[in-house]
Amino acid sequence: KAGVTQTPRYLIKTRGQQVTLSCSPISGHRSVSWYQQTPGQGLQFLFEYFSETQRNKGNFPGRFSGRQFSNSRSEMNVSTLELGDSALYLCASSLVPGGFTDTQYFGPGTRLTVL
Amino acid sequence: AQSVTQLGSHVSVSEGALVLLRCNYSSSVPPYLFWYVQYPNQGLQLLLKYTSAATLVKGINGFEAEFKKSETSFHLTKPSAHMSDAAEYFCAVIHNNAGNMLTFGGGTRLMVKP
Repeated sequence: KAGVTQTPRYLIKTRGQQVTLSCSPISGHRSVSWYQQTPGQGLQFLFEYFSETQRNKGNFPGRFSGRQFSNSRSEMNVSTLELGDSALYLCASSLVPGGFTDTQYFGPGTRLTVL
Repeated sequence: AQSVTQLGSHVSVSEGALVLLRCNYSSSVPPYLFWYVQYPNQGLQLLLKYTSAATLVKGINGFEAEFKKSETSFHLTKPSAHMSDAAEYFCAVIHNNAGNMLTFGGGTRLMVKP
C-alpha cells in the first residue's frame, strides 16, 4: 500500500506570492492533518480535516488555509508569503480522527523556501 | 494548554550504549503520549504510543518507553544503540478531545559514535 504522498517535494517562492501544497493520504484514510516544521518553532499543528470538514485549527494567521476533497486528498494554501513561512510542511493521514487509537502516518513533507 | 518538554536538544552515545531520551508533559489529565523519529529529509515515523493500556510500551527497532504519572514523564530508552538510530526524536501528546492534533516537544537529536 502506498504511503502518504506530498507534492511538490521542494518549492521556492518569493515574498508576496501564494503557494498551494498537496497531500494524498494512504488509500482508505479519511483524516488528514498538516504541520509546519521550522528550526525556531519546531513542529506546529496547522489544521485537521475529516470528511471534507475542518475539525481543528492551530494558531496560525488566516493566510494559511486548507481544504479536503471528496477523495480525501487535501491541499493547503499560503497567501502573501513571508520569509518566516519557509519551513517543511508535513501532512499526516489516519483512518479516522482520534489519533490516540489510530496511528497517524506522515508524508515526507514539502520543503518551502521563501526568498 | 498542555505542553511537552524534551530535556536535551542533542544527545550523544557510543554504539552499544544505553539510549535515554527524556520527555515530560504538563497536563492535569494524563494525555495520550507518542514518540516519533525523523530521519534526514524524511517525515515522521511512529516509534510507539501510550494510550493507558500499559505503562511500559514497546515499540519498533528495540525502543521502549515507560509512562510514569507521578513524574509526568514518558522517557524513551533502548538498551544498545546502533549507528542507524542516529536521527531526531520527538515526543508528542494528544488530548482525548483534540482529534488528531499532536503537540510536539522540541526534539532531541541523537548522535551515535562508533
